[in-house]
Order: sequence, then structure tokens, then C-alpha cells
Amino acid sequence: EAGVAQSPRYKIIEKRQSVAFWCNPISGHATLYWYQQILGQGPKLLIQFQNNGVVDDSQLPKDRFSAERLKGVDSTLKIQPAKLEDSAVYLCASSQPGFSGGYTFGSGTRLTVV
Amino acid sequence: AQSVSQHNHHVILSEAASLELGCNYSYGGTVNLFWYVQYPGQHLQLLLKYFSGDPLVKGIKGFEAEFIKSKFSFNLRKPSVQWSDTAEYFCAVTPAGRDDKIIFGKGTRLHILP
Repeated sequence: EAGVAQSPRYKIIEKRQSVAFWCNPISGHATLYWYQQILGQGPKLLIQFQNNGVVDDSQLPKDRFSAERLKGVDSTLKIQPAKLEDSAVYLCASSQPGFSGGYTFGSGTRLTVV
Repeated sequence: AQSVSQHNHHVILSEAASLELGCNYSYGGTVNLFWYVQYPGQHLQLLLKYFSGDPLVKGIKGFEAEFIKSKFSFNLRKPSVQWSDTAEYFCAVTPAGRDDKIIFGKGTRLHILP
């Protein structure tokens, strides 16, 4: 089966600019997650979608981060405006309902804010 | 809320040495446990998982992990490591029976000397 697709792979922006990341999960996976992985740390959940609804966004910095999954398939994560501390790898993952197999992760987008 | 603690941030071993990476979790109920691996330049991959049953779980590439409920531990082991095992290893936990977010540890960077 095709994996979780993410783009772009790399992005360099200046602070206060905006950026958007895209994710297309595995077909049929209703649950989609965005994680932030800062260098030297484990992935931290930003937001979880079930179909097109938000299940958990408690750790999403809502003053600058936003995410949507309008048709319950692909998703976009946006940062506006970016700060230096947003430099990280942004991972998208998806899973089937019932959580039987664990997540499947995409390759991630490495964001550098300068 | 659940949390995961990985004891070693950086481990260096020679080929053929035995490996044990420590992982402890904090959660009052039944959990599902995971080990993920991230090879250099690649995305996170599931190494093995524990949901229920035999507490000794075997995964891919000769890895195994043992769930010790009384110690809240899920240590990863491999009898004889190879240079290709150089990677970052993440322990993760989620409450059992729920299609819910995975909480990751901070990771252990394993470097195998040829």
C-alpha cells in the first residue's frame, strides 16, 4: 500500500513568514495526526483528526498554528507567523480505527526558521 | 496523563554486542506499548508493539521487548547488534482500547561501531 505522503520535504523561511505543510494519509485511514519533532526530542502531538473533525488540539499553539482536514482525507498544517523555535520536523501519521496496527508515519517536513 | 521515560539518550556499542534500551512509562491503567525506530534520513517505523498476552514481544530485525507490568517497563533488547542498527529508537505508550494519541519518549540515539 502507498505510505503517508508529505510535502515539501524541506523548507527554510525567515521568522514572521508563513508556511504550510501538506499530508495525504493512507487510503481508508480515518485518523490523522500531526506531530512536531524538535531536534533531540521525541515527537509531540500537535493535533489529531478523526475524519474531518478535531479530536485533540490541546497542544497546538493556536495563536500561530492552524490545521484543517476539510474532506476527511488530506490535511494542511499552517504556521503564521513562524518563530525560530518552530524549527523542527513536522510529521504526519495516520491510523485505522481501532488502532490495531499502530501509526504509519510520513517522511516529515524539515522546517528551518532563520 | 501518561508519560514515557527513556533512560539513555545516546548509546554506543560495537558490532555483536548485546543491546538493552530502557523504557518506563507512567499511566494508571492498561496500556499499549510500542517501540519505533528512525534510521538516518528515514521516517519513523514501527519496530514492535505490545497490546496483551505474552509479555515478551518479538519484532522485526531480531528485536524483542519485555513488558514488566510491576515495573511499568518495556525494555528493548537485541542479542547481537549490527552496524545497520544505527538509528534513533523511541518508546511510546497509549491507553489500551482507545484510538488515541501516542505519547513518545525523547528517544535513544544508538550508534554501532563497525
